[in-house]
Amino acid sequence: AQKITQTQPGMFVQEKEAVTLDCTYDTSDPSYGLFWYKQPSSGEMIFLIYQGSYDQQNATEGRYSLNFQKARKSANLVISASQLGDSAMYFCAMREGADSSYKLIFGSGTRLLVRP
Amino acid sequence: DAGVIQSPRHEVTEMGQEVTLRCKPISGHNSLFWYRQTMMRGLELLIYFNNNVPIDDSGMPEDRFSAKMPNASFSTLKIQPSEPRDSAVYFCASSADYLPGELFFGEGSRLTVL
Repeated sequence: AQKITQTQPGMFVQEKEAVTLDCTYDTSDPSYGLFWYKQPSSGEMIFLIYQGSYDQQNATEGRYSLNFQKARKSANLVISASQLGDSAMYFCAMREGADSSYKLIFGSGTRLLVRP
Repeated sequence: DAGVIQSPRHEVTEMGQEVTLRCKPISGHNSLFWYRQTMMRGLELLIYFNNNVPIDDSGMPEDRFSAKMPNASFSTLKIQPSEPRDSAVYFCASSADYLPGELFFGEGSRLTVL
């Protein structure tokens, strides 16, 4: 079974508008972390934002925010005021457990294209 | 501060040859991960180490793959013999226990096996 599901292979957004990238996860562990990474065409993986399962508030980092809905097991990434440089692949990932084995499992990714 | 350093950045080899990929994690990080990225399978975790000890190698495809971490500042991923289906980008990443699981990735090693 897929642990991390990203159902949008590709998305378009107009520059300066907001966009939501979907991510659902599956775990029975009460302690887990959710992450979003950006991979531009140059190939590097860039950490964007983190949400812990016990965090009371949704995580925000600049123009990035994570819409965490625990009961629905979703962790959608919201990018506000899209910029051309936001065009990239976006990966959702999950780390299960609270021990030191910080293994991340990644979703299949969503390719975002920002239109001028 | 230096990030995760991988070498080589690009490798083209012929089927049957041995390939060795190298990784230097961020100083002070005690977990190291090897991922493989392909179009078909996405990002797959191959193996990870904690305090130089292999914790989970269940993602290693087969016996042709091996990984070592002889000390806290160096790891290798070896493929012997290589096959065309091993062509992929191999990422090394490191993290520290005091961080909430954030992984810092290297720039990747793009391997092409002809």
